Amino acid sequence: QKEVEQDPGPLSVPEGAIVSLNCTYSNSAFQYFMWYRQYSRKGPELLMYTYSSGNKEDGRFTAQVDKSSKYISLFIRDSQPSDSATYLCAMGPGGNAGNMLTFGGGTRLMVKP
Amino acid sequence: DTEVTQTPKHLVMGMTNKKSLKCEQHMGHRAMYWYKQKAKKPPELMFVYSYEKLSINESVPSRFSPECPNSSLLNLHLHALQPEDSALYLCASSPLSRAGEVNEQFFGPGTRLTVL
Repeated sequence: QKEVEQDPGPLSVPEGAIVSLNCTYSNSAFQYFMWYRQYSRKGPELLMYTYSSGNKEDGRFTAQVDKSSKYISLFIRDSQPSDSATYLCAMGPGGNAGNMLTFGGGTRLMVKP
Repeated sequence: DTEVTQTPKHLVMGMTNKKSLKCEQHMGHRAMYWYKQKAKKPPELMFVYSYEKLSINESVPSRFSPECPNSSLLNLHLHALQPEDSALYLCASSPLSRAGEVNEQFFGPGTRLTVL
């Protein structure tokens, strides 16, 4: 079993839809959670960063963390064709492991006009 | 300046060539990383530098040799690569974490490497 599981998709939605992207993890040491967006043949771009259970909102994006269930989500409201990309969750344990991140496999999202 | 830059964007090399990838950031970050990413896969960590010293080497073959000349620059020297080393090579940087923290990593656009 992988430490971080993420449905690879592709997930296809119409423009304006609310998108829900999810990751589950097995390592209870993970304390810090990030979401990256990666366009084809480009580097990952940091979207959201959080370290506590609950919700964090930034514009059209909301990151949700449930440490008790080991489950994180990224919601995208009013999705746009420009949101079409691969979304990667990443997480780290903190402590002496510092900046070691474990990535999910990525979910490919397609938003159709 | 809030970005990580990488050169070259694309590189094609033969198995006997020696080449270098370069990465630069001016955000004052003291941790820098090299990742390898194959198509439709997540990035795989190769090396981590903290305060210009190599702190993590994820059992990477010696044909990959990292170098951190100063706090803003990170190089990856390539020699005698194999075709299976063809991938997108990503550089990232982050503020150095205090104990118990993980800081967000900022990625460059990557160098697409093809080994013939």
